[in-house]
Amino acid sequence: DQQVKQNSPSLSVQEGRISILNCDYTNSMFDYFLWYKKYPAEGPTFLISISSIKDKNEDGRFTVFLNKSAKHLSLHIVPSQPGDSAVYFCAARGSTGGGNKLTFGTGTQLKVEL
Amino acid sequence: NAGVTQTPKFQVLKTGQSMTLQCAQDMNHNSMYWYRQDPGMGLRLIYYSASEGTTDKGEVPNGYNVSRLNKREFSLRLESAAPSQTSVYFCASHRGVNTGELFFGEGSRLTVL
Repeated sequence: DQQVKQNSPSLSVQEGRISILNCDYTNSMFDYFLWYKKYPAEGPTFLISISSIKDKNEDGRFTVFLNKSAKHLSLHIVPSQPGDSAVYFCAARGSTGGGNKLTFGTGTQLKVEL
Repeated sequence: NAGVTQTPKFQVLKTGQSMTLQCAQDMNHNSMYWYRQDPGMGLRLIYYSASEGTTDKGEVPNGYNVSRLNKREFSLRLESAAPSQTSVYFCASHRGVNTGELFFGEGSRLTVL
């Protein structure tokens, strides 16, 4: 049972345009949501996060939106750059049980073309 | 500034062999984690250690054991490797603040023949 879903395995956008990556979740007990970026042969690196009590968080070119009623979050990258080409993972943290355990989605491969 | 260091980076095993993946962090983090990444499956939690001296099962613990040797080190052991354990393994640590952010190592690619 996939609690965090990224339904688009890949996304291609032109340099300078907006990239929108989507993520859906089923567990209403998640209290924190994070986005990670992963380049080939490297570990995932943290990009941006949002608490479940907020609906938007912005950091430079990256903005994450959370729609709790729809159990949906999205990552906007504006403007997209070739260096943004990577796999993006959505992750969610359960608010019970402790241990800061993250549940990850399956990832979306973003390709930013010149 | 090493962060999270994993060894080895690559390993090939035969079915039934055993091995240990080593992980060390130099950020004085309390919590450490082992994840595996498989195509189309994302990252799945194998085991984690919320603090020195404690370990708990994650989503896919079968076939693995862990040891939290001290605050810095968290090892993952495969006692009898199976082809289904062919994967990329990532160790991570958490600094303990409420943001949930994990710091990951570069990964260990394991192939079981």
